[in-house]
Amino acid sequence: DQQVKQNSPSLSVQEGRISILNCDYTNSMFDYFLWYKKYPAEGPTFLISISSIKDKNEDGRFTVFLNKSAKHLSLHIVPSQPGDSAVYFCAASAGAQKLVFGQGTRLTINP
Amino acid sequence: DADVTQTPRNRITKTGKRIMLECSQTKGHDRMYWYRQDPGLGLRLIYYSFDVKDINKGEISDGYSVSRQAQAKFSLSLESAIPNQTALYFCATQTGDHTEAFFGQGTRLTVV
Repeated sequence: DQQVKQNSPSLSVQEGRISILNCDYTNSMFDYFLWYKKYPAEGPTFLISISSIKDKNEDGRFTVFLNKSAKHLSLHIVPSQPGDSAVYFCAASAGAQKLVFGQGTRLTINP
Repeated sequence: DADVTQTPRNRITKTGKRIMLECSQTKGHDRMYWYRQDPGLGLRLIYYSFDVKDINKGEISDGYSVSRQAQAKFSLSLESAIPNQTALYFCATQTGDHTEAFFGQGTRLTVV
């Protein structure tokens, strides 16, 4: 049972435009959400997180939006840069429980 | 030096062999995880441990076992490796609730 789903395996965006990566979840007990970025041959690295008491969190070019009623979160990258090309994973946890990850979305930024 | 170190980084082994993947951390975190990454399936949880005396199965624990030798060390064993265990394996640590996890660089395991 996939509790965290990223339904788009890949996304291609032109440099300078906005990249929007989406994530859906099924467990209403999730109260903390994270986005990770992964380059080939490296481990995932943390990008940004959001608590369920918020609906938006911003860090530089990265903004995460949380819609609890829709059980949906998204990551916006503005403006997109070539170095943003990577696989992005969303993750979630419920209280003191384990971290659960989605399938990942491969983002390609085209010059 | 990396905060979360996995050894080996690459390994090729034969079907039926026992193999151990090791993870050590210098972050002082209580929580440690083992995930495997397969194309299109994301990061799937194999086992996790919230302290030295705590071991929990994840969603795909069959065929695997773990040992938490100390706060800093968490090993993953494949008792009898099979080809569909060919994957990229990641160890991660976490300090507690509502915090980010830190990942090692991964172990690429190939079972032939």
